[in-house]
Amino acid sequence: GDSVTQMEGPVTLSEEAFLTINCTYTATGYPSLFWYVQYPGEGLQLLLKATKADDKGSNKGFEATYRKETTSFHLEKGSVQVSDSAVYFCALSDRDTNAGKSTFGDGTTLTVKP
Amino acid sequence: GAVVSQHPSRVICKSGTSVKIECRSLDFQATTMFWYRQFPKKSLMLMATSNEGSKATYEQGVEKDKFLINHASLTLSTLTVTSAHPEDSSFYICSARDRATGGNTIYFGEGSWLTVV
Repeated sequence: GDSVTQMEGPVTLSEEAFLTINCTYTATGYPSLFWYVQYPGEGLQLLLKATKADDKGSNKGFEATYRKETTSFHLEKGSVQVSDSAVYFCALSDRDTNAGKSTFGDGTTLTVKP
Repeated sequence: GAVVSQHPSRVICKSGTSVKIECRSLDFQATTMFWYRQFPKKSLMLMATSNEGSKATYEQGVEKDKFLINHASLTLSTLTVTSAHPEDSSFYICSARDRATGGNTIYFGEGSWLTVV
């Protein structure tokens, strides 16, 4: 079945540091890939997505590129802020089989210190 | 853009009572909605697939008599936690497939925090 493996956390960085959160996936079909963010005590927000190979999703300074050859979708940000402290989830949605179901990674907790 | 609304966003109920959570697609029709649950400090796990006009499909290990799902229209699915217990306290979130895009676009609600006391 489908699966998503995320870099284990927690991750603690200083403000303005570079962020990478690794994400790899396995899927039986041709999935769309997503990063979601969950701020403390809040719901899930879509951060960015990519629907086909070599697509780059970007939002709020975060980027991730759909790499089919390495089955990866790593999240990056050049300079993190304290306000980026949250839990980040990598996810896939397989369009070909089980269309619409999302499979999530375990989440990576990011803490940014001033 | 498309929005999926969940209500209530937070609810506290007494042990033994039932609580209903609504998932509504505000500007699109959703033939299929999905319900997920997030355990503390864990990821989101699919509970069931809700299909408009038919019975929900539950994932293995999810009690269908405890978590009642109804998808009565193309814009509304409800999850009812029956005879709630403290261990049912969790974050519940729904997603919906946009029928107009061939079902390839998924939108998530913001989730509902349930606390059973």
